[in-house]
Amino acid sequence: AQTVTQSQPEMSVQEAETVTLSCTYDTSESDYYLFWYKQPPSRQMILVIRQEAYKQQNATENRFSVNFQKAAKSFSLKISDSQLGDAAMYFCAYRSYGQNFVFGPGTRLSVLP
Amino acid sequence: GAVVSQHPSWVICKSGTSVKIECRSLDFQATTMFWYRQFPKQSLMLMATSNEGSKATYEQGVEKDKFLINHASLTLSTLTVTSAHPEDSSFYICSAIRTGGNQPQHFGDGTRLSIL
Repeated sequence: AQTVTQSQPEMSVQEAETVTLSCTYDTSESDYYLFWYKQPPSRQMILVIRQEAYKQQNATENRFSVNFQKAAKSFSLKISDSQLGDAAMYFCAYRSYGQNFVFGPGTRLSVLP
Repeated sequence: GAVVSQHPSWVICKSGTSVKIECRSLDFQATTMFWYRQFPKQSLMLMATSNEGSKATYEQGVEKDKFLINHASLTLSTLTVTSAHPEDSSFYICSAIRTGGNQPQHFGDGTRLSIL
């Protein structure tokens, strides 16, 4: 069964600095999709970024980018120029085609002013 | 963007009451909807997968007679917590996806259920 691991239960970053959240996963599939979701205190789940495994180029969305290492089964999220509004729980998620999503345990990010 | 509406956002009721939660995809047809339960400071726990026009697929350990799921149309799925008890108190979140392998989930805002 696929599993998703986020080894950092909590992280903190100074405002305007850069932080990287780690995610590793276990799968025997070659074609799959990876996602990062953000859950602020409002508890709404917000899609931050997604990556298709067949694409070698790392996805980027404004201040958010990923470092996708397929061989290492690693999918880290980098947040640049951190803002107070970035404080939230961040969940890494995996999905192979037609299968359910598998979520990691989450990383709580605090942004210090 | 895709919008998923979940209602109600917060419900408080007495033990033994049945509670229905609705999940609607407002601007797209959702072939699949998911129902999650989230305990405080924990990740999302998948309860069931709901496909339009067919019976829901429940995860191991989830009582299908306790948590009734109906996906009657491509835009609406409902979760009914039958004869709710205090241990059913939790945060319930639905999500919906379009057809296609790389489609992300679009989440509702969640329902906070409190059983007295």
